Amino acid sequence: AQKITQTQPGMFVQEKEAVTLDCTYDTSDPSYGLFWYKQPSSGEMIFLIYQGSYDQQNATEGRYSLNFQKARKSANLVISASQLGDSAMYFCAMNFFSGGYNKLIFGAGTRLAVHP
Amino acid sequence: KAGVTQTPRYLIKTRGQQVTLSCSPISGHRSVSWYQQTPGQGLQFLFEYFSETQRNKGNFPGRFSGRQFSNSRSEMNVSTLELGDSALYLCASGQGTGNTIYFGEGSWLTVV
Repeated sequence: AQKITQTQPGMFVQEKEAVTLDCTYDTSDPSYGLFWYKQPSSGEMIFLIYQGSYDQQNATEGRYSLNFQKARKSANLVISASQLGDSAMYFCAMNFFSGGYNKLIFGAGTRLAVHP
Repeated sequence: KAGVTQTPRYLIKTRGQQVTLSCSPISGHRSVSWYQQTPGQGLQFLFEYFSETQRNKGNFPGRFSGRQFSNSRSEMNVSTLELGDSALYLCASGQGTGNTIYFGEGSWLTVV
């Protein structure tokens, strides 16, 4: 079964420190994409970073990096130098290339609180 | 480049009524998908449209329907609203598999 697991319901971090949000997935499909989104209380789902299953290097986007360990089926998000504005829900998601669909499955999310 | 636009942002409906939500994808994106987000069920896939054709459908009753127009704009409709349909409805836009998927701000639906 295809499934995304985020084991940390809530995390807190001190401003300016780095934080890692965990994500593991389960699939037998060899071709897939992994996404991280940020959702503030306003509800908008903000794209952060994407990693394809065949990408050799870990994706990075500014302060965000994705620690992709394919053999362990994990795709952890690392936020460096946390800011107060990073406080939000974070969702890990994936889609599958077979069939050509853009259907995402999501984890339950992690609520991050950044403290001054 | 404009992002994904969803309208309306907030709406309140009465049980039994119907509602139509609209989504304009990013220019050039032909895939539009819809998701329902509730505190109890999390984020669930409703359906995806690509070039006016429904490619995939989630496990929702027939009261939930959608369509896509030739300009890639999409609408979803919920008929005979129930209290449990109260949710945040999110629209996502993409170019195809293997590419980034972007979301709109969502439409908050409250059914009373």
